[in-house]
Amino acid sequence: DTGVSQDPRHKITKRGQNVTFRCDPISEHNRLYWYRQTLGQGPEFLTYFQNEAQLEKSRLLSDRFSAERPKGSFSTLEIQRTEQGDSAMYLCASSLSGDGSPLHFGNGTRLTVT
Amino acid sequence: AQTVTQSQPEMSVQEAETVTLSCTYDTSESDYYLFWYKQPPSRQMILVIRQEAYKQQNATENRFSVNFQKAAKSFSLKISDSQLGDAAMYFCAYRSAGGSQGNLIFGKGTKLSVKP
Repeated sequence: DTGVSQDPRHKITKRGQNVTFRCDPISEHNRLYWYRQTLGQGPEFLTYFQNEAQLEKSRLLSDRFSAERPKGSFSTLEIQRTEQGDSAMYLCASSLSGDGSPLHFGNGTRLTVT
Repeated sequence: AQTVTQSQPEMSVQEAETVTLSCTYDTSESDYYLFWYKQPPSRQMILVIRQEAYKQQNATENRFSVNFQKAAKSFSLKISDSQLGDAAMYFCAYRSAGGSQGNLIFGKGTKLSVKP
């Protein structure tokens, strides 16, 4: 169990640029989640996958955000035309199926939009 | 929609003492799961303890235990024999059981400081 890994750890970009983050879940986990966390707040749900199917998307996930998990393994989260309000920590988590299965989180990608 | 409220933005405890962190939630569902997660500074979030709503017995994990009051929709975390390594943000979280909802709903967190 190597844990959930996220890349990059930090990303600084200029407003209007596109950014892409990657998440590698724990290998036997078929569920993968993306959350956003701003300073002093709890994580806010963005979207989740079961295998390659995207099952749920939050209203927070505007049309500038897109997430994929093409082969049911790693996932990418892309933000197009970044805005300063997108600055946050983006957390990825994975879990086994089953609503009681706990989420295992990665270290996150900290995005700063200047 | 379900909500999770943590009314204590910050708490402080003396090393080796006991502290209780509060959490209340709002739901119309009868079956769900509750979690406490710990997020140390600049480190990843880790699970502390989990409670199934259909179980009356309060969950315990070593020095961590919960007081689950379903009727009152309350889910507090007790940390006994506090250690310096317990200093972190603590988040209470709710998750529905059944259906396709995978969303884990978090409170805003309580920052716990441990004094030596």
